[in-house]
Amino acid sequence: SQTIHQWPATLVQPVGSPLSLECTVEGTSNPNLYWYRQAAGRGLQLLFYSVGIGQISSEVPQNLSASRPQDRQFILSSKKLLLSDSGFYLCAWSLGTEAFFGQGTRLTVV
Amino acid sequence: GENVEQHPSTLSVQEGDSAVIKCTYSDSASNYFPWYKQELGKRPQLIIDIRSNVGEKKDQRIAVTLNKTAKHFSLHITETQPEDSAVYFCAATHNDYKLSFGAGTTVTVRA
Repeated sequence: SQTIHQWPATLVQPVGSPLSLECTVEGTSNPNLYWYRQAAGRGLQLLFYSVGIGQISSEVPQNLSASRPQDRQFILSSKKLLLSDSGFYLCAWSLGTEAFFGQGTRLTVV
Repeated sequence: GENVEQHPSTLSVQEGDSAVIKCTYSDSASNYFPWYKQELGKRPQLIIDIRSNVGEKKDQRIAVTLNKTAKHFSLHITETQPEDSAVYFCAATHNDYKLSFGAGTTVTVRA
């Protein structure tokens, strides 16, 4: 069966520090991979999606970047965090229909 | 790109009553419309979905309707129970490539 791992679950980082969130998928090949951000009380905003290794599409201009070094690995990064980067970050994968989400990372930038 | 609007943002219902959430989409090429439920502090999970070749789908107390002409779709929950309290998201996509989500509806079922 397929599983998705996302870590860490919670993170508190100072303004200006770097960020690296990692997501891995097991049990499937060549999945579509996604990073979403959910601000408090708001919907799911698509940040990045990838249809293959090294293929990254950005949905919104921001302080973040994404990479897909391996087929089932998706990384969300920032060189310098801003206060506005705080939120709940969700990784997801899909093979076409249903999207499966990771447990999420609650990031607080202080 | 696709723009999905969802209403209402909050919904409070008495236990046993029905709840209805409505969404509209902008891209007439969208052909897949899932609904996700997110309980507090947890990840969203799919509860029901519908493709553009059908107008209605039902799974026990949950049903979804789709009107392609008007570009809107709705989630219906009947005989609501306390465990139905959660945030519900609609989404739309063309060829299952990139899901665009609505802003979410916080449903509270009062005992």
